[in-house]
Amino acid sequence: EAGVTQSPTHLIKTRGQQATLRCSPISGHTSVYWYQQALGLGLQFLLWYDEGEERNRGNFPPRFSGRQFPNYSSELNVNALELEDSALYLCASSSTVAGGIYNEQFFGPGTRLTVL
Amino acid sequence: AQKITQTQPGMFVQEKEAVTLDCTYDTSDPSYGLFWYKQPSSGEMIFLIYQGSYDQQNATEGRYSLNFQKARKSANLVISASQLGDSAMYFCAIGTGGFKTIFGAGTRLFVKA
Repeated sequence: EAGVTQSPTHLIKTRGQQATLRCSPISGHTSVYWYQQALGLGLQFLLWYDEGEERNRGNFPPRFSGRQFPNYSSELNVNALELEDSALYLCASSSTVAGGIYNEQFFGPGTRLTVL
Repeated sequence: AQKITQTQPGMFVQEKEAVTLDCTYDTSDPSYGLFWYKQPSSGEMIFLIYQGSYDQQNATEGRYSLNFQKARKSANLVISASQLGDSAMYFCAIGTGGFKTIFGAGTRLFVKA
């Protein structure tokens, strides 16, 4: 079974540009989560999509946005890039919770975004 | 608001010995899940173990066990018989209603031969 995939592996942009990151969840998973991990720091929750809807977002400005497609893959868009947006962006997927409170998240390898 | 605290930025352990990584949490949600993930230098996040807030017994997965003390709001990870391949960053996380997962700052574990 294929795991979570992300593309591109690396992305280099300049300040003010837009970046688009992509994520394909594990087959059968309907939830996709996005996290930002700045160098040497922990993961910061960005966005959660489930069944095509944005269900929750972390404390990030509106220039961080995304969407989930009918096949449950997802896109993260970062507009007006700033130097501090340089980080590893991790995507995770999980199956829909049925009665439980949480399901484990399976992570992709990440996209390393560098803003110059 | 949820919060996860990992107070040990780095730890050393001798190969084949056990090590405990600390994690405390804070949440007002009665239902929540606690997770531990391992992040090797390659960057991928590897799920290790899960504990639900209503689980009566501590979770175990092979060499990993979670020492869950609900009253103290702690969820320490115990790794038995450490191996060189255990050297990595370890993150504790809490998931609550709304599936907003909050991760701790992480603990870097170094296993010495």
